[in-house]
Amino acid sequence: QVQLVESGGQLVKPGGSLRLSCAASGFSLSGYYMNWIRQAPGKGLEWISYIGSSGIPIYYADSVKGRFTTSRDTAKNSLYLQMNNLRVEDTAVYYCAKEDDQFLDHWGQGILVTVSS
Amino acid sequence: DIVLTQSPDSLAVSLGETATINCKSSQSLLYNSNNKNYLAWYQQKPGQPPKLLIYWASMRESGVPDRISGSGSGSDFTLTISSLQAEDVAVYYCYQYYTLRSFGQGTKVEIK
Repeated sequence: QVQLVESGGQLVKPGGSLRLSCAASGFSLSGYYMNWIRQAPGKGLEWISYIGSSGIPIYYADSVKGRFTTSRDTAKNSLYLQMNNLRVEDTAVYYCAKEDDQFLDHWGQGILVTVSS
Repeated sequence: DIVLTQSPDSLAVSLGETATINCKSSQSLLYNSNNKNYLAWYQQKPGQPPKLLIYWASMRESGVPDRISGSGSGSDFTLTISSLQAEDVAVYYCYQYYTLRSFGQGTKVEIK
């Protein structure tokens, strides 16, 4: 069955960098669009990025454009989110999610990223 | 960018009664070439990832009880939870996939 497992979350100082990973199983990344979504503590869901089934296109929300980069490794069947120049307001649970016919049908459990001095 | 506005932000409903959540889009989510509305609904319980309930505005995901339904077209959509159960206490989000992606701000459903 489809499984998505995020990793890499930790406490980081403002201005720092972090790379999140999302290991997929039960399906091939090369057949589906994949998304990153985040949720600040006590807040709603915020879509931040997606990557197409062939690796393109890649789009970002304005809040992370120029700082975050989405990529994937089809050999490892894994999705990545490189986060640079992190800000306090980037503190959130980060989810990876798979699309099926453009809507999100499977989500990981999420990983917490805390940006604090 | 498409902005989704949900109403109300929260509501309290008695067990067995009906909860109605609205989602209004800043532009139409109806793609004329296939007559589909690019809107989904998700349920999120504390400490859990969101769960898909409805896609294409009115298609129920497998395993979702038929007392949960979606309706609407264009820019105005509704999620209806009939005969509310204790297990329905959650935050509900609408989500558009017409252009890029975005979520509504969420509606918290509680028991009165």
